[in-house]
Amino acid sequence: QVQLVESGGGVVQPGRSLRLSCAASGFTFSSYAMHWVRQAPGKGLEWVAGLSYDGSNTYHADSVKGRFTISRDNSKNTLYLQMNSLRVEDTAVYYCVRERSHPHYYMDVWGKGTTVTVSS
Amino acid sequence: QSALTQPASVSGSPGQSITVSCTATSSDVGGYKYVSWYQQHPGNAPKLIIYNVTNRPSGVSHRFSGSKSGNTASLTISGLQAEDEADYYCSSYRGSSTRFVFGTGTKVTVL
Repeated sequence: QVQLVESGGGVVQPGRSLRLSCAASGFTFSSYAMHWVRQAPGKGLEWVAGLSYDGSNTYHADSVKGRFTISRDNSKNTLYLQMNSLRVEDTAVYYCVRERSHPHYYMDVWGKGTTVTVSS
Repeated sequence: QSALTQPASVSGSPGQSITVSCTATSSDVGGYKYVSWYQQHPGNAPKLIIYNVTNRPSGVSHRFSGSKSGNTASLTISGLQAEDEADYYCSSYRGSSTRFVFGTGTKVTVL
């Protein structure tokens, strides 16, 4: 079945880096735009970053621009989020999400999430 | 990025109907038809329940329905059930450098 499985979360000190991965299965990964969405403890959802089906177009929220980079490897059916210069406020559950587009635009498949804790 | 505004909480008794609103600037909900809604139970990932304002994915109960008027989108839950108790988020596709924006979230309580 269609599945997204995130990994790479953990506890990291402020200013350090972490790379999240998302393994996709059950669908043609290379045909879909993908996103990362995060949720801080007790807070709402926040869109973090997205990229087109072929990775040629990337988009990042202002809150992470210049620090986080989204990328993908379609040969490995994997989505990545490189997170540098981490801050305490980046602490959250990070979800990997598939986008449905053309003619509609919404996020239809979500992974279970991976937890990132930034703390000294 | 500005968020879409939702009421913090809405409650109702079993069998009743409730409505969750989602209000934004014209550049979000009002200007676009790509409004979606997500249900999130504690400890779980969000689940898509409405897309393109009014459409239900396969497998989602007919008790969930969506609508939009001007700058406000709405989610209605009919015949409220205990299992509907969860957090609900609206979202709008922006089609710009910020691809999606989420609402502030609404906690639905079944009394």
